[in-house]
Amino acid sequence: DAKTTQPDSMESTEGETVHLPCSHATISGNEYIYWYRQVPLQGPEYVTHGLQQNTTNSMAFLAIASDRKSSTLILPHVSLRDAAVYHCILRVQQGTGSKLSFGKGAKLTVSP
Amino acid sequence: DPKIIQKPKYLVAVTGSEKILICEQYLGHNAMYWYRQSAKKPLEFMFSYSYQKLMDNQTASSRFQPQSSKKNHLDLQITALKPDDSATYFCASSRDRNTEVFFGKGTRLTVV
Repeated sequence: DAKTTQPDSMESTEGETVHLPCSHATISGNEYIYWYRQVPLQGPEYVTHGLQQNTTNSMAFLAIASDRKSSTLILPHVSLRDAAVYHCILRVQQGTGSKLSFGKGAKLTVSP
Repeated sequence: DPKIIQKPKYLVAVTGSEKILICEQYLGHNAMYWYRQSAKKPLEFMFSYSYQKLMDNQTASSRFQPQSSKKNHLDLQITALKPDDSATYFCASSRDRNTEVFFGKGTRLTVV
């Protein structure tokens, strides 16, 4: 009963800008879009999150569609260290909605 | 310099025994969590605590018992261990229940 849809995998080359898509057609008005990434043998790493407006930080740019039914995580000038499984997660940010529900995510491979 | 410390990093236990996984966070956060990741499966939410009180429990078995002796501690006691309990257990924390969640490096438990 996944609420988000991501490609299983994506490939890139060092220095490229990568666009990771996420579809969330049934998103509710009170759900935030969170992105985490995980490399083998490590815990997930917070990347970014947003509600409606595009957001940017030192790691990535999050572009959210105006109808909020999809979003794209944009990683500028990727390096080998950006290779990871990227998770797009919807999270209710109120009440008891503190749980993060991880799926399979999208595996990003970065080649030299 | 990790701010969420999990001990031990690796743990091997005998079926039927009891173990305690340790977690301390030095981020000044008020909410703490436990997640579990079995081999080649997505991360699975187990518990959330806020100000040392249990807020959400998604674990079916009472063999898993969180213990919060201090605000920045959330240990996980597992009794009557089974081979199926073999997994990496991640502790996490956030400033409040509805802010970004940060993860520790995990304790890798193997039950033989």
